[in-house]
Formats: sequence, C-alpha cells, structure tokens
Amino acid sequence: GIQVEQSPPDLILQEGANSTLRCNFSDSVNNLQWFHQNPWGQLINLFYIPSGTKQNGRLSATTVATERYSLLYISSSQTTDSGVYFCAGAIYGGATNKLIFGTGTLLAVQP
Amino acid sequence: DAGVIQSPRHEVTEMGQEVTLRCKPISGHNSLFWYRQTMMRGLELLIYFNNNVPIDDSGMPEDRFSAKMPNASFSTLKIQPSEPRDSAVYFCASSRRGGDSAFFGQGTRLTVV
Repeated sequence: GIQVEQSPPDLILQEGANSTLRCNFSDSVNNLQWFHQNPWGQLINLFYIPSGTKQNGRLSATTVATERYSLLYISSSQTTDSGVYFCAGAIYGGATNKLIFGTGTLLAVQP
Repeated sequence: DAGVIQSPRHEVTEMGQEVTLRCKPISGHNSLFWYRQTMMRGLELLIYFNNNVPIDDSGMPEDRFSAKMPNASFSTLKIQPSEPRDSAVYFCASSRRGGDSAFFGQGTRLTVV
C-alpha cells in the first residue's frame, strides 16, 4: 500500500507565528484531505484538495499531485490551532474511498 | 445536520465480552467508514461501505470483528469476543460519494480490561 509521510512530526510555535506542514506520498494519490484532531480527540475536516490551492481563513493548502506532496499553511497561529494535523489520501486508480492516513504532525501553540 | 453520530462515547468492558459500536452517518451520504486509532498504529481504515454494501474489509484485524450496515442511516461494528488489545478509539466517518470529503464522528473510546 501507499506510504504517507508527514513532517515535521512535532512543532512548537509561539502564538502569531506561521508554519508549513508537509505531506509526502509514495505513490500518486487522489482524494487528498487534511484533518485537524483537537485536544479533545475530535477529527475536523480542513480541506479536500486533490490538486491546486485552497484557502480558508488563516489556513491554506496546496497539493502538487504530479510531485506527490501537499502542504498545509497556518498563518498567525492561535492556541486553538493546537492538536494533531493529519493528511490522508487514496491511491490513484484505486478505490477513492480508501483513505490512508499519515502519522500526523503534533502542533503546540504557546501563548 | 447533526453530523456523524456515534454511540456510546465511552465503553469499558471485560475481556471476552461482546462489544457493539454504533454509527449514524450524515443524511444523504452514501459512503461509510470505520477507523481505529491507537498510539502504536495511528489511524487505520477497518472497513468501508458504499450504498450499504461492504466494499473493502481488508483492514478488519481478525474474525472477531464484524461490521454491518442494514440501512443507509445505521451501521454497527461488533467485536466478539473482545480482548485488551482491542482497546482504542473507534471512529465512524461518512462522505457523499467516493472521492469526496469525509466527516468523522466523535469516536468511541473502548477499553477492554
């Protein structure tokens, strides 16, 4: 199966700082998504972004499908951004439902 | 919409007992997924359904696990008999169709003692 690598594994930021999280795939994927798991364990869907760039408030994401990676940008970070960020994808040409998750980036935003 | 609803939120059971986890997907979504999250293995896809039909159950760890979706608004994941290594958070998620955004329930935290 595909391998999904996320970097960095963990990150500590001061409130107001910007950050970039990366997701690499071992094979071409479709159905690429980013999720935030908050400290209470809830998984929130951030972006569905198989290609291109999307923005939602302070968050934006870019996927370069031909190069098998995606980036999540967090600007002006807030303490509420803390938690684990996961990317997930389904292998291109396979079942688009079969999302494989990365190991996540643990983000801690300090006041 | 209330989102994906899972019950119970927490379950503590003794080894050997049967455990049933329940999920109500978002209305209008025709794909449903069961995931398991542990510290060691992260988020693993156990099984998914399209239009109430199981499509891929290759992630189900062993025969003690079974999942059903009798209709478009309800699914169960059953473990019988349960073992301590089954302790994890079990998530249910749904999407409108294959290749669309997946939305997760709040999870069921299962502890088998």
